[in-house]
Amino acid sequence: QKEVEQDPGPLSVPEGAIVSLNCTYSNSAFQYFMWYRQYSRKGPELLMYTYSSGNKEDGRFTAQVDKSSKYISLFIRDSQPSDSATYLCAMRGRDDKIIFGKGTRLHILP
Amino acid sequence: KAGVTQTPRYLIKTRGQQVTLSCSPISGHRSVSWYQQTPGQGLQFLFEYFSETQRNKGNFPGRFSGRQFSNSRSEMNVSTLELGDSALYLCASKFEGTDTQYFGPGTRLTVL
Repeated sequence: QKEVEQDPGPLSVPEGAIVSLNCTYSNSAFQYFMWYRQYSRKGPELLMYTYSSGNKEDGRFTAQVDKSSKYISLFIRDSQPSDSATYLCAMRGRDDKIIFGKGTRLHILP
Repeated sequence: KAGVTQTPRYLIKTRGQQVTLSCSPISGHRSVSWYQQTPGQGLQFLFEYFSETQRNKGNFPGRFSGRQFSNSRSEMNVSTLELGDSALYLCASKFEGTDTQYFGPGTRLTVL
């Protein structure tokens, strides 16, 4: 079983819809959870991070962590065509190594 | 403030050759990490350097190596290239004591 599982998509949704992106993980030692966005031909950029279970909001983005279920989510409200990108979840454990999901390709249709 | 820069952006090599990639971190960042990104395996951690010392290492063969210079610039080297080494190689830097990494645009390596 891979440490981090993420559906690769592609996920296509109409503009204005709420997008839900998810990852599951197996290592209970993961303490730090991140979401990165990667546009084509660019490096990933950090969108959000959190250390604890629960929700964290930043503008149109909400990161949710459920440590008991080993499940994290990223919600995007009022999605825009500019949100079209690959979204990668990432997690860090006590050994400081960061493990990434394979990424979900998201297309927002105008 | 300038971001992380990587050179070259694109590289084509043949099997058996060796390659050196370069990364210049954001000014003031002394931690530099390298990742390999492929469609099949996603983003995988290669190694991290801090103050010219390798601090952490992923599960890659010894053909993959790196170093960091006193100005925090880093290079990674891949010897005896294989077709499977074709990938996007990403470098990321961060301030010590923080968790936010900043990625460069990557070097696209194609091995023929």
